[in-house]
Amino acid sequence: RKEVEQDPGPFNVPEGATVAFNCTYSNSASQSFFWYRQDCRKEPKLLMSVYSSGNEDGRFTAQLNRASQYISLLIRDSKLSDSATYLCVVNGPQGSGNTPLVFGKGTRLSVIA
Amino acid sequence: DAGITQSPRYKITETGRQVTLMCHQTWSHSYMFWYRQDLGHGLRLIYYSAAADITDKGEVPDGYVVSRSKTENFPLTLESATRSQTSVYFCASSRDRGYNEQFFGPGTRLTVL
Repeated sequence: RKEVEQDPGPFNVPEGATVAFNCTYSNSASQSFFWYRQDCRKEPKLLMSVYSSGNEDGRFTAQLNRASQYISLLIRDSKLSDSATYLCVVNGPQGSGNTPLVFGKGTRLSVIA
Repeated sequence: DAGITQSPRYKITETGRQVTLMCHQTWSHSYMFWYRQDLGHGLRLIYYSAAADITDKGEVPDGYVVSRSKTENFPLTLESATRSQTSVYFCASSRDRGYNEQFFGPGTRLTVL
């Protein structure tokens, strides 16, 4: 099982739609979870951290399910400006040669007018 | 507030040449990272550093050398560039533990002919 897996998409949705992305992770000891956003030909930028109790930031809601080892991102009332690739990020196993944060390959979202 | 900067932003070189990519951060973050991003692979960690004079290998370190004599700088050197090292290189930093959120520079697009 890959460390962090995401559906690559693309998800093509109309403006105003609600869209959800899921991500599964393999390291049951992981404690840090994030969603990043990456626009085409730009650097990844932190969208939000994911907390055990779930958290919301405006139109964005993140959830964590430790038992099933997945995290989700819900975007409500999609805007054209939400079009980007969304990266799921989880801390990796400790130890030399291991990656402190493991990045998923991303899910591409296109919001259409 | 400069944050994290990379130079050059674009570089074309030839096989066998030595190339150094620069990364500078103004936040006094302890941790710094180098990633490469290629289609189909997502972000892959090359090297990281927990503090000045402390570096560790990531997932794909072969062909790369790093140093960290000062907290704010983390240069990445390709000692003898190969075509397979054509990629987009991102530098990132994080405060304190390596599992905190990371903040990325704008990237360097490197082409090896």
